[in-house]
Amino acid sequence: GQSLEQPSEVTAVEGAIVQINCTYQTSGFYGLSWYQQHDGGAPTFLSYNGLDGLEETGRFSSFLSRSDSYGYLLLQELQMKDSASYFCAPPRGGATNKLIFGTGTLLAVQP
Amino acid sequence: GAGVSQTPSNKVTEKGKYVELRCDPISGHTALYWYRQSLGQGPEFLIYFQGTGAADDSGLPNDRFFAVRPEGSVSTLKIQRTERGDSAVYLCASSLTRDSGAFFGQGTRLTVV
Repeated sequence: GQSLEQPSEVTAVEGAIVQINCTYQTSGFYGLSWYQQHDGGAPTFLSYNGLDGLEETGRFSSFLSRSDSYGYLLLQELQMKDSASYFCAPPRGGATNKLIFGTGTLLAVQP
Repeated sequence: GAGVSQTPSNKVTEKGKYVELRCDPISGHTALYWYRQSLGQGPEFLIYFQGTGAADDSGLPNDRFFAVRPEGSVSTLKIQRTERGDSAVYLCASSLTRDSGAFFGQGTRLTVV
């Protein structure tokens, strides 16, 4: 079967660093993607980890450990506009590349 | 176009009616996905196309739902005999490769009254 676990809510202050963890169980695992979704908006692709290790894109970094079935998204120098839901999503390869989303983590950035 | 386009942006229909939702993906993207999202939930997978064929339709909830992509570009999601439980935002996404990510449209908000 497949399962994803993320914290449902995280609160942090402007300028801080926050880490959103993701643990998963999937068959045919092919990396981990992260998406951001603002209230009322569409999901936006942030990053993809196909291999173990850290990927950095500006203020956002994403980490993957396939042996631990674990990943995280790290957001630095938080800004108010980072308030959104964040989803980890493992794609499945082979004949299908469907992304499986969990319920996501609602990040609230406070002044 | 520059991004994934979905029409209409909003659709209100009466219970029992038939609806069609359209998705125009990013030019050149061979993969196309349909999801639906209810308030407070993550996107729920419905169907995935690679080219013209449905590579995975395991997320379609029942036989009232059907999707086509006849020329490998525009896709239409069709819902027959709509029910109030079908009310949700229907999202379409397209992608080129797995590690380039999927690009989502703004969705169609379907309300069945």
